[in-house]
Amino acid sequence: AQSVAQPEDQVNVAEGNPLTVKCTYSVSGNPYLFWYVQYPNRGLQFLLKYITGDNLVKGSYGFEAEFNKSQTSFHLKKPSALVSDSALYFCAVRDKNYGQNFVFGPGTRLSVLP
Amino acid sequence: DAGVIQSPRHEVTEMGQEVTLRCKPISGHNSLFWYRQTMMRGLELLIYFNNNVPIDDSGMPEDRFSAKMPNASFSTLKIQPSEPRDSAVYFCATDFMGGGTDTQYFGPGTRLTVL
Repeated sequence: AQSVAQPEDQVNVAEGNPLTVKCTYSVSGNPYLFWYVQYPNRGLQFLLKYITGDNLVKGSYGFEAEFNKSQTSFHLKKPSALVSDSALYFCAVRDKNYGQNFVFGPGTRLSVLP
Repeated sequence: DAGVIQSPRHEVTEMGQEVTLRCKPISGHNSLFWYRQTMMRGLELLIYFNNNVPIDDSGMPEDRFSAKMPNASFSTLKIQPSEPRDSAVYFCATDFMGGGTDTQYFGPGTRLTVL
């Protein structure tokens, strides 16, 4: 069975500092990995995904994520945080061999302090 | 493209009433997913369709919930009768299986309050 863990409920970072939102996953086969962001009273917005190839994936709004197969992790990063990055972030996994079902993590609330 | 369209955006109803939530997928997408989001349980997959056929409904909480996709451009999620514990935000998401995108796109959600 697939599962996703986001070990931190909340991440606080000062504006201009680098940020990391952690994600680890478990799948039986090869994973597709995703990050989504949710702003208040909005739906989830796609940020980036890892399907295959380069382990470092670049996405929207300056975010990037690194796929680490040995650590089964897919941490989201940004070199310099903005106050407008404050939102709820979801990691999701899909097993390539298990059809289309996405499994989402519980979410991490990111607060960027001015 | 207008993206995934959901209606209504907000629904307030009384316990026991029937509630119908609607979703229009992105044109050309052949898979549709219904999710429920609450503070306590996070984001839960309720059911998903591929080419209008329900593939996995194991997340549907009980028989009071039903979902249909009569054609490629419309889906409904119905709760009958509704209960206060059904209060949540319900999201519809769609994607195109086989197109290489492998990415779900979410609608804005319907916030349901059952009194």
